[in-house]
Amino acid sequence: KAGVTQTPRYLIKTRGQQVTLSCSPISGHRSVSWYQQTPGQGLQFLFEYFSETQRNKGNFPGRFSGRQFSNSRSEMNVSTLELGDSALYLCASSLGAGSNTGELFFGEGSRLTVL
Amino acid sequence: DAKTTQPPSMDCAEGRAANLPCNHSTISGNEYVYWYRQIHSQGPQYIIHGLKNNETNEMASLIITEDRKSSTLILPHATLRDTAVYYCIVRPEIQGAQKLVFGQGTRLTINP
Repeated sequence: KAGVTQTPRYLIKTRGQQVTLSCSPISGHRSVSWYQQTPGQGLQFLFEYFSETQRNKGNFPGRFSGRQFSNSRSEMNVSTLELGDSALYLCASSLGAGSNTGELFFGEGSRLTVL
Repeated sequence: DAKTTQPPSMDCAEGRAANLPCNHSTISGNEYVYWYRQIHSQGPQYIIHGLKNNETNEMASLIITEDRKSSTLILPHATLRDTAVYYCIVRPEIQGAQKLVFGQGTRLTINP
């Protein structure tokens, strides 16, 4: 079974631009969440989607947004990029229902560099 | 904020058992203890979780104290591939919720 796939793996943007990252969850998984990882702040929860609905949101500004499609694939968008948005963005998927809801399967991430 | 405290780093010899402690003195009755690890340049990987009983799977064992204020993750025969940052997380078993609050974790180095 294929794992969580994130694209692109690496990208470079300049301040003020916007970026869209994509995540394909494990087949059959309906829940997708996004995390930001930086050396200073560590791993931080961005948001979570289940059945195309945002179910939970972390403490990030409105420049960070996301969505989920009917096939459970998800995208996140960051507008008006700032230098501090440089980070590894990780996507995780899970069944989204049932027991052991804390077992998430992470992708390898998209590394964003903002110049 | 993370509700756990872990040592920032630990070393262990290859082939020996690695015992990683975690303090969660404010854990609530409905909160589980989860362990994840992150090998360099990869996404975090789920290891094990438990509520109050000790748990074992093919990767590790989890020992939770009777008062549930601390726990220990045990890698019985550490290999070089176990070098990673290990995160201890407490969270309630909320139906469908994926939010995990990561702390700084323990950087475990396995030495040959």
